[in-house]
Amino acid sequence: KNQVEQSPQSLIILEGKNCTLQCNYTVSPFSNLRWYKQDTGRGPVSLTIMTFSENTKSNGRYTATLDADTKQSSLHITASQLSDSASYICVVSARGSYIPTFGRGTSLIVHP
Amino acid sequence: EAGVTQSPTHLIKTRGQQATLRCSPISGHTCVYWYQQALGLGLQFLLWYDEGEERNRGNFPPRFSGRQFPNYSSELNVNALELEDSALYLCASSTGRGPQPQHFGDGTRLSIL
Repeated sequence: KNQVEQSPQSLIILEGKNCTLQCNYTVSPFSNLRWYKQDTGRGPVSLTIMTFSENTKSNGRYTATLDADTKQSSLHITASQLSDSASYICVVSARGSYIPTFGRGTSLIVHP
Repeated sequence: EAGVTQSPTHLIKTRGQQATLRCSPISGHTCVYWYQQALGLGLQFLLWYDEGEERNRGNFPPRFSGRQFPNYSSELNVNALELEDSALYLCASSTGRGPQPQHFGDGTRLSIL
């Protein structure tokens, strides 16, 4: 069964600090992995999308890494800002499947 | 370019009633996806429409149904509403088949009293 597990479930950090969110998946055969940011009461917004051959992809202060061998991904946020407070969702798609598998998300709170 | 738009923003119903949620995809997108996001849970896939046809549905009862119109907009209908149907219903669209980056609307918050 395809599954996506995210950790931690929630995280509180101080403004300006860095943090790393984790995503482990069992989706196979792997096609791509996406990270979304979802602000409270809004729809998810895509941050990065990575395929099998990509190890790292950046989007401003967000950097995603992918280890397809261990089936792990991480999202690193540098110099956090108050606006980074949101839920971060890891989504993995299998090759040949049009329906992705969603993680439950990590809730990040950035305090001033 | 307008994003995915959903209406209404909020909808309050009572048990046993029927609800209709609407979604307009990004111009040029032919695929529409519906998801349910209950409080504290991840997104659960509901339905996928492409070129007016239902391509796949998630593990939801038949009282969840929908359709896609010739202009690619879509409706989600939920009959015989139950308390556990209270959730944020998200619509997403993409350009075509295959694992595509999906663009989401801001959802319809459905509350069942």
